[in-house]
Amino acid sequence: SAVISQKPSRDICQRGTSLTIQCQVDSQVTMMFWYRQQPGQSLTLIATANQGSEATYESGFVIDKFPISRPNLTFSTLTVSNMSPEDSSIYLCSGAMMDNYGYTFGSGTRLTVV
Amino acid sequence: GNSVTQMEGPVTLSEEAFLTINCTYTATGYPSLFWYVQYPGEGLQLLLKATKADDKGSNKGFEATYRKETTSFHLEKGSVQVSDSAVYFCALSWNNYQLIWGAGTKLIIKP
Repeated sequence: SAVISQKPSRDICQRGTSLTIQCQVDSQVTMMFWYRQQPGQSLTLIATANQGSEATYESGFVIDKFPISRPNLTFSTLTVSNMSPEDSSIYLCSGAMMDNYGYTFGSGTRLTVV
Repeated sequence: GNSVTQMEGPVTLSEEAFLTINCTYTATGYPSLFWYVQYPGEGLQLLLKATKADDKGSNKGFEATYRKETTSFHLEKGSVQVSDSAVYFCALSWNNYQLIWGAGTKLIIKP
């Protein structure tokens, strides 16, 4: 199965700044997703990253706050813009293979906004 | 719409006890079903999966059978270890590739 390298693994950021999280997959994946996970809770889908086109955002998430890029089938970035303490969370990327059976996750980025 | 319901945690067991974590789903058609595990401080790992009715997924002593008649995918293990302590997530996927997640069940195994 694919392996996803996600970085940074953690960061502490000042409010009002932006952080870009990168995910690199070691093979081509059909779909890539970005999730947020609050401590002790389940995953909330932020958006589906579409190769070569704008991401598809879930309700409650907007492109101005969470711009996403996916220039090719193995790489995606998520930017958390104009951060506030409420953005403190774990952010996870995921890749799905063509056969719909192989979902792989990055190791996550633990973000703390102070 | 599609949804996943799993038993609330935490579930606390003694080492070598039998484990069941219930998971039921609501979906149109025939989704694929998954169990993911998240160890403390780590990312998500696929534990096992099943892609059609009556399939049994298994890994590391864990098993789950895709039961369409009861729309269930319960996770079981015959003898748990302290190292199994983690959060377990049940999930399903449909033809849009998105995963629908359960709320997660924290498992605590005491020596």
